[in-house]
Amino acid sequence: AQSVTQLGSHVSVSEGALVLLRCNYSSSVPPYLFWYVQYPNQGLQLLLKYTTGATLVKGINGFEAEFKKSETSFHLTKPSAHMSDAAEYFCAVRVNKLIFGAGTRLAVHP
Amino acid sequence: GAVVSQHPSWVICKSGTSVKIECRSLDFQATTMFWYRQFPKQSLMLMATSNEGSKATYEQGVEKDKFLINHASLTLSTLTVTSAHPEDSSFYICSARGSGRGTDTQYFGPGTRLTVL
Repeated sequence: AQSVTQLGSHVSVSEGALVLLRCNYSSSVPPYLFWYVQYPNQGLQLLLKYTTGATLVKGINGFEAEFKKSETSFHLTKPSAHMSDAAEYFCAVRVNKLIFGAGTRLAVHP
Repeated sequence: GAVVSQHPSWVICKSGTSVKIECRSLDFQATTMFWYRQFPKQSLMLMATSNEGSKATYEQGVEKDKFLINHASLTLSTLTVTSAHPEDSSFYICSARGSGRGTDTQYFGPGTRLTVL
């Protein structure tokens, strides 16, 4: 069975600071991995995905994530946070269906 | 990215009535559509998966007679909440995956907020 664990339900950073959102997964076969962002009262927008190939994946809005098989991790990072990055972020793993983590709410303060 | 629309964006109904939510893929053919439910401050829970022209596959614990799903075309799926009750109040989000946009990515609609009085 596949599962996703997001460490930290809330993360708060200063504007301009590094953003690091943690995601660990469990899967018996090589999974596809995704990060989605959700703004209030909206659906999900795909930030980036890993399927095969290069383990460092670059996404939209300056985000990137690195697939580390040995650590079963797919952490999301951004070098410099903007106020507009404040949202809910979901990590997801897919083998036969898409399974979401519990989400991490990112707050960015001036 | 691909565009998936939902209608309505919000709906308020009385207990006992039925509500239909539409999900459309606007620029690709969605061979598979998914319906999720999201409670406040929680993650998305998959309710069912539907392939065009086939009966939907429901997740464990989801009542198929209460949540009727129809996927009659490659661009449209509907979710009907029958005899809605206050506990059905939630944010319902559809998702689509299909040909022409890569089969490894699901695209999500903006969601429909259902409030049952």
